[in-house]
Parts: sequence; C-alpha cells; structure tokens
Amino acid sequence: DTGVSQDPRHKITKRGQNVTFRCDPISEHNRLYWYRQTLGQGPEFLTYFQNEAQLEKSRLLSDRFSAERPKGSFSTLEIQRTEQGDSAMYLCASSSIQAGDTQYFGPGTRLTVL
Amino acid sequence: DAKTTQPNSMESNEEEPVHLPCNHSTISGTDYIHWYRQLPSQGPEYVIHGLTSNVNNRMASLAIAEDRKSSTLILHRATLRDAAVYYCILRGGAQKLVFGQGTRLTINP
Repeated sequence: DTGVSQDPRHKITKRGQNVTFRCDPISEHNRLYWYRQTLGQGPEFLTYFQNEAQLEKSRLLSDRFSAERPKGSFSTLEIQRTEQGDSAMYLCASSSIQAGDTQYFGPGTRLTVL
Repeated sequence: DAKTTQPNSMESNEEEPVHLPCNHSTISGTDYIHWYRQLPSQGPEYVIHGLTSNVNNRMASLAIAEDRKSSTLILHRATLRDAAVYYCILRGGAQKLVFGQGTRLTINP
C-alpha cells in the first residue's frame, strides 16, 4: 500500500491556460474525492466518485472544472481557462466502503496561476 | 452539515500530554466524530474517529462526552512532529468531509 499519489506536486501556469492534475488512489479503493484548499483555510469538497460514477459535485466546481475517473482507478481534474483565483492546493483522497470508508489523502498539487 | 467549534490555537510542551477540545452541540445520532491533522505543506492525515465510546489507537485517544456534544483528542506525549493543524469533523450520511478552521497546535521543545 503506497498511499494516495498526486501528480504533479507543483504547477505554475499563466492565466487562461488549461491544467490537468492526476490522482492515483490507494489500490482497490472504490471512492475517490477531490478537495481544494486555499491559504489559511481548511480543505473544501469539490467532487467525489464511486468507481467510475461521479456522484456529487460542489457548487465550487464551476463549468471550467471537470473531473473524470474513466476506469474506476485513477482520476484527473482539469481546469480550463485558469484564473488567479484558482490558485490553491488541490487534494485527492480515497476510501474503501468495505474497509470503513475512512478517507486517506494524498500530498496535494499546488497550483499557482500568474 | 453539523458544525464543530475548536480553539484557533493551542500550545504545549514536548513530552507532555495535549488535550484538544471540540464542541459539536448540534451533533445527530448518526454522526461520527473524525479527527484529521495537517502538517505544513502536506495533505490531511487521518488520526482517529468514534461514535459514542472512547477510542484509542497508536496515534491518539478520543474521549467523547456522554451527551456527545463535545469530544477531546488526546495526544499522550507530544513530540515536535505533532505540530500541525488539527481538524474535528462530524460525518453523517454525506460522503464529503466538511473542514472548519481547525486548531493550530504548537509544540515547544
């Protein structure tokens, strides 16, 4: 069990560019979550998947954001036409319904939009 | 989402016990009490959770009041590596975790 991994760990981009982040959950975890954390605040929920199905999306997830989990394993989070307000830490977590559904977090991807 | 109240910050000394309080007066009967902590520049780390009874694991103990309106996370012997932001979260039927501001714990050598 190698834990939740996220790639890249850091991303600097210019306003208006598209970015994509990847999350690899703990093996065989059927639920996967995305959160966003801005400086000095606690993480805020964005969306979650159970297997391939995206079951809940926050109002924070504007139409510039899209998340996928095509085969029920890894997930991607894409932000189109980035804005400076998108600068944040993007956190991924995974859980197993069969193992108590505790969420385990990855190290996060820090996005800076210039 | 049921709300929790925690002190903004606390300070303790190395090798001493630390008691981190959390108030959750609107807790419902099916809400579990979860604790996570977050070290600088890292993702949140699961610490412990419970429903009604006190819980112990290798990291900490969770003491839950009889009326469940408050709980206390106990670090038995703090080390410098325990310096972090500690979040108390209620989790009922919803899958998402709702984080508050947490308590920033400082450990003095």
